[in-house]
Amino acid sequence: TQLLEQSPQFLSIQEGENLTVYCNSSSVFSSLQWYRQEPGEGPVLLVTVVTGGEVKKLKRLTFQFGDARKDSSLHITAAQTGDTGLYLCAGASSGSARQLTFGSGTQLTVLP
Amino acid sequence: DAGITQSPRHKVTETGTPVTLRCHQTENHRYMYWYRQDPGHGLRLIHYSYGVKDTDKGEVSDGYSVSRSKTEDFLLTLESATSSQTSVYFCAIKRDRNSGANVLTFGAGSRLTVL
Repeated sequence: TQLLEQSPQFLSIQEGENLTVYCNSSSVFSSLQWYRQEPGEGPVLLVTVVTGGEVKKLKRLTFQFGDARKDSSLHITAAQTGDTGLYLCAGASSGSARQLTFGSGTQLTVLP
Repeated sequence: DAGITQSPRHKVTETGTPVTLRCHQTENHRYMYWYRQDPGHGLRLIHYSYGVKDTDKGEVSDGYSVSRSKTEDFLLTLESATSSQTSVYFCAIKRDRNSGANVLTFGAGSRLTVL
């Protein structure tokens, strides 16, 4: 069974601060995705990274896939209250229809 | 809206009763999934379907069954609900047909409480 460890589990910061969330595994994934979930809703895809070492930017969010495709990070610059939510990473295995292995999530709270 | 509707959105039931959750899609996607979400566990796959009448187990399938008699509907059944099945259940579809990256679109969830 593939496992994805996310850290930290909870993060509370002030608006304007920077933060990094980590997603680590001992398994290699063909791709890794980051989702954001708000209360009462389903997760929504933010980004997919496919190539080892790949960096993608989405406005103030920067996503990186590790060179060995076993880990990933999400960095938020100058956090805003609207960034509050549950951030989930999910790894996909090549050729598997079983889809994704999800991390346990990081609950981010950005205080005004 | 991603074209996925889950029903009911909230249900309270008693131990030992049967429960069926419905997922309906309007976009004719082949792959559909049922996950459960619990604090500290993220999302765990219960069952998935890769076509009408084609289903397979996920990592936490015990106590659950599924059926897919039509492309648009994927049903999750708890034959005899237990308190450990209290959870939020999410249905998802796979949209990306052309890439090796499997991208999921989720419904809004069904919150089930088993007393």
